[in-house]
Amino acid sequence: QQQVKQSPQSLIVQKGGISIINCAYENTAFDYFPWYQQFPGKGPALLIAIRPDVSEKKEGRFTISFNKSAKQFSLHIMDSQPGDSATYFCAATWGNDMRFGAGTRLTVKP
Amino acid sequence: EAGVVQSPRYKIIEKKQPVAFWCNPISGHNTLYWYRQNLGQGPELLIRYENEEAVDDSQLPKDRFSAERLKGVDSTLKIQPAELGDSAVYLCASSLTGSRGYTFGSGTRLTVV
Repeated sequence: QQQVKQSPQSLIVQKGGISIINCAYENTAFDYFPWYQQFPGKGPALLIAIRPDVSEKKEGRFTISFNKSAKQFSLHIMDSQPGDSATYFCAATWGNDMRFGAGTRLTVKP
Repeated sequence: EAGVVQSPRYKIIEKKQPVAFWCNPISGHNTLYWYRQNLGQGPELLIRYENEEAVDDSQLPKDRFSAERLKGVDSTLKIQPAELGDSAVYLCASSLTGSRGYTFGSGTRLTVV
């Protein structure tokens, strides 16, 4: 069922550094690409999302870059903080059907 | 707003036993989803409801899994009998019909021994 490929599986970044997580998809019917943040023992929470007619979206320290021709999108976390340590999931949606990537466990070291 | 409420938070059962999970979505959210999240993996859709109608249950293992959403509000997911491979976190999410904004509950962590 996994139609979205996500990398890396885990990522360790120093405080203040840039965290980059990448995703790729195959189904061109996808028309909405959210990123979710999940802390241990909690459900995923929507972080930021983009539509394919936009190449970049920025909200605070979080930026999505989207490459429609390559069918790839990525999450950039600027000035990464220890509080950002969590698992991040990319997802792709068409209609009410959302498919998730396998997740990236981010650790930000103080 | 209470968010999506799930219970129980944790459940440990022996294989072949039945188990049920309960979900109370956000008030007014017509669409309700059940996802299964295996350790180290992303959530995978089991079933989607629009009000009380199951509109997508293609990924639900119907030989042992069942779900219902009476009156289009609360929902229950049942497994009978449970197998070792069913150990996972079962997540419920809800949204307004047509909205892309899903709200997830904290999930039920099932361990089958």
